[in-house]
Amino acid sequence: KAGVTQTPRYLIKTRGQQVTLSCSPISGHRSVSWYQQTPGQGLQFLFEYFSETQRNKGNFPGRFSGRQFSNSRSEMNVSTLELGDSALYLCASKAASGLSYEQYFGPGTRLTVT
Amino acid sequence: GQNIDQPTEMTATEGAIVQINCTYQTSGFNGLFWYQQHAGEAPTFLSYNVLDGLEEKGRFSSFLSRSKGYSYLLLKELQMKDSASYLCAVRDWGNTPLVFGKGTRLSVIA
Repeated sequence: KAGVTQTPRYLIKTRGQQVTLSCSPISGHRSVSWYQQTPGQGLQFLFEYFSETQRNKGNFPGRFSGRQFSNSRSEMNVSTLELGDSALYLCASKAASGLSYEQYFGPGTRLTVT
Repeated sequence: GQNIDQPTEMTATEGAIVQINCTYQTSGFNGLFWYQQHAGEAPTFLSYNVLDGLEEKGRFSSFLSRSKGYSYLLLKELQMKDSASYLCAVRDWGNTPLVFGKGTRLSVIA
């Protein structure tokens, strides 16, 4: 079974631009969560989608948004990029949105904002 | 609020045993997770504790004390490939998102 895939793997943008990142979950997984990872803050939760609905949202500004499609693929968008948005963006999928505890992470997208 | 603390860095010798501690303060508790993350790679699931006690899985064991807000990950017979960051994460109630600690970077030396 293929793992979680994320595209692109690396991205360089300039301040003020916007970016869209994509995540394809493991086949059959309907829950997708997004995280931002930085050396200073560690892994921080952005949002979770299940069956095209946002189920949970972290404490990030409205510039960060996401969506999920009917095939469970998810995208996240960051508008008006700031230097502090430079980070590794990870998505994780799991089979359901219940207490099923094992979530599988993708390799991440390394975003650099200059 | 939620707070998860773990040491920033640890160093241990190949073949030895190392214990990585994690303390947490959350409004509720519905499970504690340990993940391993090699540099430049995705985190991978290691263990899950929801009841007090020790869970053993091969060379890795995880312990939980809910009354003390404390967990540890025990790695035995250390190998060079165990050099990685180890992330402690807690779910405070229901199906809320996991809250991660900042991770412990373990270096295994010969």
